[in-house]
Amino acid sequence: EPEVTQTPSHQVTQMGQEVILRCVPISNHLYFYWYRQILGQKVEFLVSFYNNEISEKSEIFDDQFSVERPDGSNFTLKIRSTKLEDSAMYFCASGGANTGELFFGEGSRLTVL
Amino acid sequence: LAKTTQPISMDSYEGQEVNITCSHNNIATNDYITWYQQFPSQGPRFIIQGYKTKVTNEVASLFIPADRKSSTLSLPRVSLSDTAVYYCLVGDLRSGNQFYFGTGTSLTVIP
Repeated sequence: EPEVTQTPSHQVTQMGQEVILRCVPISNHLYFYWYRQILGQKVEFLVSFYNNEISEKSEIFDDQFSVERPDGSNFTLKIRSTKLEDSAMYFCASGGANTGELFFGEGSRLTVL
Repeated sequence: LAKTTQPISMDSYEGQEVNITCSHNNIATNDYITWYQQFPSQGPRFIIQGYKTKVTNEVASLFIPADRKSSTLSLPRVSLSDTAVYYCLVGDLRSGNQFYFGTGTSLTVIP
């Protein structure tokens, strides 16, 4: 069964450093998403991406964040200058045009020290 | 944007049927109702999706009344492995809308 894969599974970084989280969505999907989940809290929407551009973003997704689909297969989330409160699990998801279902990756745990 | 409201937590004994209800009073005409399951430290996993009336698959049933302002996820004969957080989402993926997760319902299955 096709799946969404994310790397790294866990990253530890120092405050102020840049982090890139990578995702490989399911190959024929058109809609891509990033969510985050702070430990013990709900899943929070960050951004959706369609047709090579951001379609919607939440208040959390400020200038510190950016997304890119550099090569038609990878979908990346960049956090420019990490803060302690960026520590969370980051989930990538993708969806096809005809199913209405989102497929989530297993997540990348980011720890900012 | 349709907001959803669910009970924060529920307990059930093994073998019981569990019904989790979600309210979504301002659901839009094109919105679908989708339920996800999440285990600790894992990504949410799709359970079931519906638009109206009743949908059933191998793991659950989804009941949606005619006004579509609520929906009920029914899990038949739960087991310990069904202990998880269950989220109700409302939206239309086909239009590229974002899906917002609510607080979810934490289901604990008791032996």
